[in-house]
Parts: sequence; C-alpha cells; structure tokens
Amino acid sequence: GAGVSQSPSNKVTEKGKDVELRCDPISGHTALYWYRQSLGQGLEFLIYFQGNSAPDKSGLPSDRFSAERTGGSVSTLTIQRTQQEDSAVYLCASSRDYNQPQHFGDGTRLSIL
Amino acid sequence: AQSVTQLDSQVPVFEEAPVELRCNYSSSVSVYLFWYVQYPNQGLQLLLKYLSGSTLVKGINGFEAEFNKSQTSFHLRKPSVHISDTAEYFCAVSERGGADGLTFGKGTHLIIQP
Repeated sequence: GAGVSQSPSNKVTEKGKDVELRCDPISGHTALYWYRQSLGQGLEFLIYFQGNSAPDKSGLPSDRFSAERTGGSVSTLTIQRTQQEDSAVYLCASSRDYNQPQHFGDGTRLSIL
Repeated sequence: AQSVTQLDSQVPVFEEAPVELRCNYSSSVSVYLFWYVQYPNQGLQLLLKYLSGSTLVKGINGFEAEFNKSQTSFHLRKPSVHISDTAEYFCAVSERGGADGLTFGKGTHLIIQP
C-alpha cells in the first residue's frame, strides 16, 4: 500500500525485555515522526527524523528509548528493559518535509506484562 | 512551546444535527493548525489543515474549521453529522519553521446518537 506501515501491530512482552518497533514511511517522505499514545498522557511527540538525522532527542521518555533511521526510509524505535509504564500505542508518521501535513500509520500496541 | 486545549472530552449529538468541536491553542510564535480523526484501533487521519491564506478551511467528510487568530481558536464544525462520524477528534499545532512534532490536544470523543 501507499500508506505508512508499522510492525508489529501488536506486541506483548514481559517486563525487562527489549522490544523493537518498525516503521516504513510513505515513499519519498523525508520527515518521519514517532509518537506515543496512552490513556494517561494522550498523544506525546517522541522524536523526529529529517533524512537519517534526529536533531533533537529530548522527547524520548528515558535513556531506555532509542531510535534510528537508515537509508532515509525505515525507522526503528527500540525500548530496552521494558517497564509496565511503557505500555501504550506507538504511532509513526511521515511527511514530505518537516512542517508538511503528517500521515500516520495504524500504530503498534505494546503491552508489558 | 505551544499547547492545545480541547475543552470537551465527549460530545453527544443526534444524527443529522450540526456539531462544533472546540479547540484553543497557545503559542508564542506563528503556528500551523490541524484536525485529525481517529477511528477505533486505527491511526490518525488528517481531516483538514490551516497553513496560511483563507481562515476558513474545508476538509474531508464535510468538515470545516475556522482559524481565529485573535481568539487563538480553531474550532471544527460539520452542518449535519452521520453515525459514521463517531470517532475521536484531535486538534494539533506545529510551530511554523520549527522541526518538532505536533502538539496535540487531549481529544474529543464525538458520539452520534440515532
């Protein structure tokens, strides 16, 4: 399809394990964003990539969170030593360039047991 | 930094009635404004956007919104709602020229009653 693709759609894991979430943006979109959606916090911006670079990582909740993007395309969000408070839906979005309308994937629902 | 306030967490409306979902924002710089809709277990879909120009913007599914700079508002309206409009609606802002992500409101759950 032509939309933003995220995998897996659902992930259940035990506390303390590492997880990796994947995002395939729309082809040709140079900007890529990660957000977290949870009941308590609503929609939170985590990190933004322009090409392969993330100018500001201060939105990541803790040093257990990291993200990378390769080839100006696929991005992965990694959470190490997961905690129960990491349970949320992680949404990825892409846009033609920064400040252009963002198109969202369906998200990865992460549940930490 | 900017912030978005959606005063109504839930809005019940009868089918075919008009609806207005309120959004106010706060920012020290010029912003772009957006409304997104989220259906259950799905991502966010862009309804409409204000980037510049006419303050009345029309979007998909018959929705429109009006940017009011003096009142720092961007309320969403639809003249006649349908059952299929039942969803969560999010107002969002981004800083013009900025490279951060969107700042979202808490969302408004629109409930259409038959």
